[in-house]
Amino acid sequence: KQEVTQIPAALSVPEGENLVLNCSFTDSAIYNLQWFRQDPGKGLTSLLLIQSSQREQTSGRLNASLDKSSGRSTLYIAASQPGDSATYLCAVNTNAGKSTFGDGTTLTVKP
Amino acid sequence: DADVTQTPRNRITKTGKRIMLECSQTKGHDRMYWYRQDPGLGLRLIYYSFDVKDINKGEISDGYSVSRQAQAKFSLSLESAIPNQTALYFCATSGPSGGAGLETQYFGPGTRLLVL
Repeated sequence: KQEVTQIPAALSVPEGENLVLNCSFTDSAIYNLQWFRQDPGKGLTSLLLIQSSQREQTSGRLNASLDKSSGRSTLYIAASQPGDSATYLCAVNTNAGKSTFGDGTTLTVKP
Repeated sequence: DADVTQTPRNRITKTGKRIMLECSQTKGHDRMYWYRQDPGLGLRLIYYSFDVKDINKGEISDGYSVSRQAQAKFSLSLESAIPNQTALYFCATSGPSGGAGLETQYFGPGTRLLVL
């Protein structure tokens, strides 16, 4: 059974700092991995999706990496802003269309 | 307009009542999902459907049922609601994104359910 762990559970940083969120998974037979953002009381917004054959994806200040063999992904946020404050979830997807989510990292960026 | 919509957005019900949560999508995707989110437990899959005639149980399907009325509609029912079904419920779709078999999930805004 796939298990997805995100560390840390919560993170507080001053504005402007670069930061890394971690996601680890136990079964490396994945189809792709997806990072989401969730604002309080809101739905999920897809940030980046990395196919199993890819090593990283970039979108603006966000960079996600994937090391399938070690079962790890990181989400790097450059020059953090207060608007980045949210919960970040990673989801590991199989080619059967099933997803396993981590519990998320709650990020607070202080002005 | 949102690609994935859920109704109602909030619902309070009593133990033993039957309720239905509805989901509609305009993405044209075949695959649809229902998840629940509980504090500290992340998102857990309840049911998923790969097309109108294909419905599958997720990891926590007990106490729930679903109906795929059309490609665009996927509803979740609680036959007899109980307090531990109090949660935030999300509907999602997935479909091609970027070619090469890549798929992206698109989530609705969620339905907050309280069972008293």
